[in-house]
Amino acid sequence: DVKVTQSSRYLVKRTGEKVFLECVQDMDHENMFWYRQDPGLGLRLIYFSYDVKMKEKGDIPEGYSVSREKKERFSLILESASTNQTSMYLCASGESYEQFFGPGTRLTVL
Amino acid sequence: AQTVTQSQPEMSVQEAETVTLSCTYDTSENNYYLFWYKQPPSRQMILVIRQEAYKQQNATENRFSVNFQKAAKSFSLKISDSQLGDTAMYFCAFMKRNTGTASKLTFGTGTRLQVTL
Repeated sequence: DVKVTQSSRYLVKRTGEKVFLECVQDMDHENMFWYRQDPGLGLRLIYFSYDVKMKEKGDIPEGYSVSREKKERFSLILESASTNQTSMYLCASGESYEQFFGPGTRLTVL
Repeated sequence: AQTVTQSQPEMSVQEAETVTLSCTYDTSENNYYLFWYKQPPSRQMILVIRQEAYKQQNATENRFSVNFQKAAKSFSLKISDSQLGDTAMYFCAFMKRNTGTASKLTFGTGTRLQVTL
């Protein structure tokens, strides 16, 4: 069975902290994605990766960076968290037209 | 750039009835996919149905079917015999058919569906 896991379901951080959100997939997929979900805005793509160490900006990359050192793991990094980054973060992995989503991390920045 | 529009923020339907969720999109591409995803209160995003733009036949998956109108750029989801478990947020999404690097999804803003007794 397809599995995408995210390190935390809920996370509370303070403004200015460095935050790591981890995503792991067990399907040997080349492609991995980070989305942000906000009410009334749907899901928006932050970054994606199509191979180890390869990454591309999505639609809203400002304030974020990513790391993909191993094929199964894709990390989203908030270098200095701000209150406007309070949101739900969804990771996905896939091949071709398929994307499988993780359960999401609800991040609150105080 | 592609855009996806869902004009119904919330809908309600009684159990066993039929409901249709609307979605329109804008693209200059000719080869693409369209999707409906479901996100129940548990938050796990699940694929409901997929339509390939080059196929004229509307996709169906059990109680879920779509009405794909390519010229009108419309892609609605019909849920028949609604069940309480259908209560969720539904997202319409677009993906350009791609070779090479990863294909990205563009989502609409979602429709919250409540199924009532």
